[in-house]
Amino acid sequence: DGGITQSPKYLFRKEGQNVTLSCEQNLNHDAMYWYRQDPGQGLRLIYYSQIVNDFQKGDIAEGYSVSREKKESFPLTVTSAQKNPTAFYLCASRVGGPAGGNTEAFFGQGTRLTVV
Amino acid sequence: DAKTTQPTSMDCAEGRAANLPCNHSTISGNEYVYWYRQIHSQGPQYIIHGLKNNETNEMASLIITEDRKSSTLILPHATLRDTAVYYCIVSRDSNYQLIWGAGTKLIIKP
Repeated sequence: DGGITQSPKYLFRKEGQNVTLSCEQNLNHDAMYWYRQDPGQGLRLIYYSQIVNDFQKGDIAEGYSVSREKKESFPLTVTSAQKNPTAFYLCASRVGGPAGGNTEAFFGQGTRLTVV
Repeated sequence: DAKTTQPTSMDCAEGRAANLPCNHSTISGNEYVYWYRQIHSQGPQYIIHGLKNNETNEMASLIITEDRKSSTLILPHATLRDTAVYYCIVSRDSNYQLIWGAGTKLIIKP
């Protein structure tokens, strides 16, 4: 089945360690997104990519890094520079390109990261 | 970039129509209005979207005012499974992003 997969669902890390969250899609979508969600809040954009080997910072990119070496994959690294990394992280994909403004985004089921 | 304003929470009786309002007074001519919902600790689920005209699908109807400054999502026969946070958002058309507000927590009561 086509879809977008995030792994793992739950992740625990010690403070000061970098951690990478996986996001894979088989929908043949050009655009991919990473969002952060804190309790009771809406989604905030971390990074997005409209095409392979290209990505742009969102509203809260500090302390995060991404890569887009393959169309299907858009991993997010939470670095030790992120001051408050404990949150729910959501990945999404969308058709993108000129038609992207009229298409819906598909979301993964999220990764809940807890830093202790 | 267009922002949206929604009520923080709403209640609706099971079986009745749930009408969720959204204000987007600064929306520009090429921005779409999208509705998503999120059940606790899951990824958001797409519901419907529109530009100018009213839209209907198997899940809901979207009514957009003529001036496009507000819209209403209608769930025609709400069930307990419709309890979720509903987000009204606009697309940043130039680079295909989505701008998310805090959403409306809809509680369907038996």
